[in-house]
Amino acid sequence: EVQLVESGGGLVQPGGSLRLSCAASGFTVSSNYMSWVRQAPGKGLEWVSVIYSGGSTYYADSVKGRFTISRDNSKNTLYLQMNSLRAEDTAVYYCARFARGEYYFDYWGQGTLVTVSS
Amino acid sequence: SYVLTQPPSVSVAPGQTARITCGGNNIGSKSVHWYQQKPGQAPVLVVYDDSDRPSGIPERFSGSNSGNTATLTISRVEAGDEADYYCQVWDSSSDPVVFGGGTKLTVL
Repeated sequence: EVQLVESGGGLVQPGGSLRLSCAASGFTVSSNYMSWVRQAPGKGLEWVSVIYSGGSTYYADSVKGRFTISRDNSKNTLYLQMNSLRAEDTAVYYCARFARGEYYFDYWGQGTLVTVSS
Repeated sequence: SYVLTQPPSVSVAPGQTARITCGGNNIGSKSVHWYQQKPGQAPVLVVYDDSDRPSGIPERFSGSNSGNTATLTISRVEAGDEADYYCQVWDSSSDPVVFGGGTKLTVL
């Protein structure tokens, strides 16, 4: 059974850093495209970043240069390193798996809340 | 970057048909995917590749895509269908993943 379990969220001050983790089971993270998607309170879904199975990475303009997506194949875990955090980064962060060879998300984690506030 | 436009809200009586649109420039040339999100929960895929349904999704959910508009149709709407619905496409020319703004479906 495919499962995605996020962790690492919490309260952080503006300018601070946080690393989110997404532990995967039931499949190999390196075999699928993987993404982070966030949702600010009361707002819609916003794509944040993707890592392709080959290792290439892409970011939304809103986080480019501040966030880094990566994976640890030995731990079968996806990460999102978030630096220089701003109030507007406050959101629930979901990790999501692309269906193999497709461009839609077939599995999502339960999400982890990041709050950026002084 | 590619933009997807959804109506903020749609209301429908139980047993009727709800249609949620997703507009985009020549969206008919892209594959459109739809997600349902209930309060406090992660999104769930309900339609992929314009009109296909994942296993476990009722046949009441269907989709179409042509020209500049894609449509998610929910037949015989039930109270449990009340949720936010998001369309999504892959756009190789800019941000690869694009979501619509979401539509809140209210069952009257």
